[in-house]
Amino acid sequence: GAGVSQSPRYKVAKRGQDVALRCDPISGHVSLFWYQQALGQGPEFLTYFQNEAQLDKSGLPSDRFFAERPEGSVSTLKIQRTQQEDSAVYLCASSFRGLTGELFFGEGSRLTVL
Amino acid sequence: AQKITQTQPGMFVQEKEAVTLDCTYDTSDQSYGLFWYKQPSSGEMIFLIYQGSYDEQNATEGRYSLNFQKARKSANLVISASQLGDSAMYFCAMREGRRGSQGNLIFGKGTKLSVKP
Repeated sequence: GAGVSQSPRYKVAKRGQDVALRCDPISGHVSLFWYQQALGQGPEFLTYFQNEAQLDKSGLPSDRFFAERPEGSVSTLKIQRTQQEDSAVYLCASSFRGLTGELFFGEGSRLTVL
Repeated sequence: AQKITQTQPGMFVQEKEAVTLDCTYDTSDQSYGLFWYKQPSSGEMIFLIYQGSYDEQNATEGRYSLNFQKARKSANLVISASQLGDSAMYFCAMREGRRGSQGNLIFGKGTKLSVKP
C-alpha cells in the first residue's frame, strides 16, 4: 500500500504476556518513529530509527520495551511482561528525511492490557 | 514545563465559519519546526501544515493557515470555512533542531473540534 501500515490494529493481552506490534513504513522512507498515545493525550515519542540504526531510544519507558528494524524497512515494537499502564495506542510514523521531513503516520495499534 | 500547550480541550464551530485553535510552545533552540496534525476517530495522524522557525511568512495550505507569532511563541491554526469533516482532534507539535542529531516531535494534548451543521 501507499501508506504506513500497522498490525494488529487491536490487541488485547493479559497482564504479563509479551506482545509484538508491527510497522511497515512507506517504501523508501529512511526514518521511522514509534509513539505511544495514552487515552486523551497527545502522542509521546518512544524511539527513532534511521535505516536499521536505532539512533534514539530515550522515550522507551522501561527495559520491557524493545524495538528493532533489522533490514531498515519493517519495524517491530515488542513489549515484554505487559502491564496495565502499557494500554495505549502505539503509532508508527515514517519520513523520507529525519529532521524537517513530514511524518506520515499509520493508524496505530491499540493495546489493551487486562 | 510543557513544551507545547494547547489550552482548549474542546471547541465548537458552526459549519462554514472560521475557527482558531491555540498553541503556544517553549524552546530555547533557534532552529525548530512547528506542525499541526489532525486525528480523526480512525486514529491516523494527518499532517496539515508546517512552519519553520526561520520562515518569514505564515504558512498556508488550502483552508489551513498558521498564525505564527515568534516573539509570543505562538503558532495558532486557523481553519477557514469549516466543514463537518473537520470534526476531529487537532494536535500542535514541535521539532527542535539539535546540532548533530535528529529531532523528534513533541505533541500537545490536543483540542477536540466539533463542527455543528
